[in-house]
Amino acid sequence: DTEVTQTPKHLVMGMTNKKSLKCEQHMGHRAMYWYKQKAKKPPELMFVYSYEKLSINESVPSRFSPECPNSSLLNLHLHALQPEDSALYLCASSHILRARAYNSPLHFGNGTRLTVT
Amino acid sequence: DAKTTQPNSMESNEEEPVHLPCNHSTISGTDYIHWYRQLPSQGPEYVIHGLTSNVNNRMASLAIAEDRKSSTLILHRATLRDAAVYYCILRDVSIKGGAQKLVFGQGTRLTINP
Repeated sequence: DTEVTQTPKHLVMGMTNKKSLKCEQHMGHRAMYWYKQKAKKPPELMFVYSYEKLSINESVPSRFSPECPNSSLLNLHLHALQPEDSALYLCASSHILRARAYNSPLHFGNGTRLTVT
Repeated sequence: DAKTTQPNSMESNEEEPVHLPCNHSTISGTDYIHWYRQLPSQGPEYVIHGLTSNVNNRMASLAIAEDRKSSTLILHRATLRDAAVYYCILRDVSIKGGAQKLVFGQGTRLTINP
């Protein structure tokens, strides 16, 4: 079992639908991440939040809209997606690093498998 | 982002040691070397990390070359459960707001034969 919980596990949506992916952790982590993973490919970083504020956006299209309503929750709002957006969406969290020498591994959830029809 | 190069795939036998290589010739002096693995149908999980010295933990050992241009993840006695994709990542220490930027490379798919 993972300490980062993602819901739903599977989602099928049409190109005109609006849906949201949810991620929750209770480890006290104040950094949270969204990754996208296509089949047989490595995870690709999408967004990074630090203290509930967006700190990195890797030039992700605006049809993906992240939200961090509090320190335990991370959402990814989806609207007008394309079939090529079908992928496994992974959420992760970690402690904030206060110095270069520190390390805090990322804890990943098992992902939401999204299919866009 | 500094780049890593790993073999696409490797195969080993159960209960034998496995050495997974990683080249990172453009590594900077402040880049930490991280290893994660991804078991089938799961998210990635942290394995080990290091800067200059060799490191051991309950999962594996990390051997880092003296010039830091390469490293090797060592699984001392592989089990079937170790079959996974192993990623070698250089963590960017230019941290924005205290979060980390981990950029995954292609990784090595490790197969363990019974």
